[in-house]
Amino acid sequence: NAGVTQTPKFRILKIGQSMTLQCTQDMNHNYMYWYRQDPGMGLKLIYYSVGAGITDKGEVPNGYNVSRSTTEDFPLRLELAAPSQTSVYFCASSYSATDSYLSYEQYFGPGTRLTVT
Amino acid sequence: DAKTTQPNSMESNEEEPVHLPCNHSTISGTDYIHWYRQLPSQGPEYVIHGLTSNVNNRMASLAIAEDRKSSTLILHRATLRDAAVYYCILRDPRDDKIIFGKGTRLHILP
Repeated sequence: NAGVTQTPKFRILKIGQSMTLQCTQDMNHNYMYWYRQDPGMGLKLIYYSVGAGITDKGEVPNGYNVSRSTTEDFPLRLELAAPSQTSVYFCASSYSATDSYLSYEQYFGPGTRLTVT
Repeated sequence: DAKTTQPNSMESNEEEPVHLPCNHSTISGTDYIHWYRQLPSQGPEYVIHGLTSNVNNRMASLAIAEDRKSSTLILHRATLRDAAVYYCILRDPRDDKIIFGKGTRLHILP
């Protein structure tokens, strides 16, 4: 049981390049999330998904796209990289029972450190 | 969204208890109180959560005020490995997302 895995660990992009950050979880969680964390700051939610085929915007979605074709995978796409997207990106997953008010915990991946120059 | 207020930073001596406060005066009746922590260069990890009653687990205890407008995360015997940023988060389970604030940076002095 690997939990949440992210690739790559590090990446340097030039301005205007595109890339996809990969995230996979093996816990059969229905919810998945993408956060970014700028130096010395807290986490900001970019996009999230409540299940395969369903995604929604978080606090800072501009410049990013996501898709969720399977329960396990939730890739984050940067189309035209900008220096403002230099950050550490965390993927997380959790289970939520939609027919009850049970709370749940999020499991985080190790992060991808992205630099755009 | 209901907000939380935490001190920016705190210090504690190793092997002593640590009380990390969180104010959430606008909490609603269905909000759970979650705590996460983030060790240096790692992703956040779950610590504890509760609704109304005090909660204990192997990592920490959570003391919730009777009016639920504040809570305290208690580390019973701090070690150097507990140095991290601690986030207090309100979570309405009917809402799909969790919003992180800035947290409290805990320094442990040897």
